[in-house]
Amino acid sequence: EPEVTQTPSHQVTQMGQEVILRCVPISNHLYFYWYRQILGQKVEFLVSFYNNEISEKSEIFDDQFSVERPDGSNFTLKIRSTKLEDSAMYFCASSVSGGVNEQFFGPGTRLTVL
Amino acid sequence: GNSVTQMEGPVTLSEEAFLTINCTYTATGYPSLFWYVQYPGEGLQLLLKATKADDKGSNKGFEATYRKETTSFHLEKGSVQVSDSAVYFCALSDQGTNAGKSTFGDGTTLTVKP
Repeated sequence: EPEVTQTPSHQVTQMGQEVILRCVPISNHLYFYWYRQILGQKVEFLVSFYNNEISEKSEIFDDQFSVERPDGSNFTLKIRSTKLEDSAMYFCASSVSGGVNEQFFGPGTRLTVL
Repeated sequence: GNSVTQMEGPVTLSEEAFLTINCTYTATGYPSLFWYVQYPGEGLQLLLKATKADDKGSNKGFEATYRKETTSFHLEKGSVQVSDSAVYFCALSDQGTNAGKSTFGDGTTLTVKP
């Protein structure tokens, strides 16, 4: 069964450093998403991406964040200058189409900022 | 905007007990409704979904019915097992203008004791 994959599973970085979180969505999916879950809290929407551009972003997704689909398979989230409060689990998701269709989630990347 | 409210946890039950986790929502359009499960140390897995009013989603003995009149999507299981111990998230996806982003509730931690 096709699945969304994410690498690395755990990333530790120093405050102020740049990190890139990688995701490989399901191959025939067209919509891609990043969500964040701070430990013990709810899952929060960051950004959606379609047709090589951002469809929607939340207030969390400020200028330090960017997303890219550099090739036909990867979907990346870059955090330019990490802060302590960026420590969280980051989930990638994809769906065949937008709207009310089911999103398939990856296993997540745990980011720890020291 | 959209929002999802789940009953507060944690919930602790004995094996074979009946489970209900309440979920109510607010949405501007006609959302699809989902329950996701997160086992310890893992990502989000779709448990069940319903895409229109009066639909019943079911999977692994869990059920939830989309009640438009009460804007609810309560999760139920007749007889829980120890292996059902996890965090359960209610979520909605509204076609609207949101490119299908999901809005999550806070999550309810379920612990089932033998």
